[in-house]
Amino acid sequence: AQSVSQHNHHVILSEAASLELGCNYSYGGTVNLFWYVQYPGQHLQLLLKYFSGDPLVKGIKGFEAEFIKSKFSFNLRKPSVQWSDTAEYFCAVNERGDYKLSFGAGTTVTVRA
Amino acid sequence: EAQVTQNPRYLITVTGKKLTVTCSQNMNHEYMSWYRQDPGLGLRQIYYSMNVEVTDKGDVPEGYKVSRKEKRNFPLILESPSPNQTSLYFCASRDTGELFFGEGSRLTVL
Repeated sequence: AQSVSQHNHHVILSEAASLELGCNYSYGGTVNLFWYVQYPGQHLQLLLKYFSGDPLVKGIKGFEAEFIKSKFSFNLRKPSVQWSDTAEYFCAVNERGDYKLSFGAGTTVTVRA
Repeated sequence: EAQVTQNPRYLITVTGKKLTVTCSQNMNHEYMSWYRQDPGLGLRQIYYSMNVEVTDKGDVPEGYKVSRKEKRNFPLILESPSPNQTSLYFCASRDTGELFFGEGSRLTVL
């Protein structure tokens, strides 16, 4: 079965700092990859997704992620965070052709003003 | 506007009292799913449905039932709720792209 690992449970940083959240998955075949964000008290929203093509994907709010197939990784980055980026971030993966999406345990990001 | 609608958003109930959380989507998606979110555990899939009258168990189906009589609706049924089902529940739907989530239903079982 597919598994998704997010390395950091809780990240605390100051505004303007750079952010990188790790995500690794276990499946060796073709996958679709997603990062979702959940702001306090809200539902999950899509930040970005990768299906094919350029492995560097740009999403909303200045986020980007890089798919490294050889490392089974899809790490999320933002060069300069803002207080409003305080949220929980989830990596998700599904096997191409399978509807089932597997989620990581999530990383809570706290940005101090 | 594309959306997934869940009701109720908040519910406090007692052990053993049957309840249903409704979910409806307006995007004509075939796939729908229920997740529960618990601290430190991320999102765990309860049940999913590939189409009308087609449902299957996810990772944590115990204590839950679902039905899919219409394409747009996918209710989650707790026949006899227990305190370990206290959680935040999300309904979601998708086609071949992203998963769209409802606003969530926070359930407390006393």
